Amino acid sequence: EDQVTQSPEALRLQEGESSSLNCSYTVSGLRGLFWYRQDPGKGPEFLFTLYSAGEEKEKERLKATLTKKESFLHITAPKPEDSATYLCAVLSGGYQKVTFGTGTKLQVIP
Amino acid sequence: ETGVTQTPRHLVMGMTNKKSLKCEQHLGHNAMYWYKQSAKKPLELMFVYNFKEQTENNSVPSRFSPECPNSSHLFLHLHTLQPEDSALYLCASSIKDNSYEQYFGPGTRLTVT
Repeated sequence: EDQVTQSPEALRLQEGESSSLNCSYTVSGLRGLFWYRQDPGKGPEFLFTLYSAGEEKEKERLKATLTKKESFLHITAPKPEDSATYLCAVLSGGYQKVTFGTGTKLQVIP
Repeated sequence: ETGVTQTPRHLVMGMTNKKSLKCEQHLGHNAMYWYKQSAKKPLELMFVYNFKEQTENNSVPSRFSPECPNSSHLFLHLHTLQPEDSALYLCASSIKDNSYEQYFGPGTRLTVT
């Protein structure tokens, strides 16, 4: 059975304090790994898709990387507006088989 | 209206009621999805529609009945729900049905009493 584990469950950072969120996965035949951001009371917002080990994507203060076992979402010099829950999901094996993690709730304090 | 809209935003219903959730996407996408999001649990994919045809049904109880009259509209009909069905129901759309670059609506917060 495919599994996606995100850590930590919650993370509190001072503004400007860089850190990383982890998404480890066990799947049969990874076809893609996705990062989303979700603000309270809203639906998830798509951030990145990664398809193969070694791939990296960047957007503003966020950088996503992928290995054969895990993905990291690096946040450089975060700002309070980066506070949100970050979700990881994998598409694997058969058609339409998607598995989400439970998310990391990030709080950035001014 | 832009993006993906959902109505109502909040719904409280008894176990014997029948209600429907509505989703509309203004992005010209061909695929639409229903998800369930419960506290402390991962998002669960419920249904997938591609060009109005259902392509996935992840073992969802029959008390949830989807309807997709066209590529822009998606409904989730609810009847005889259980308290454990209380959750945030999210609708999403994408260009095609095998793309997880999805655009989500704000969700409907459902409470079953």
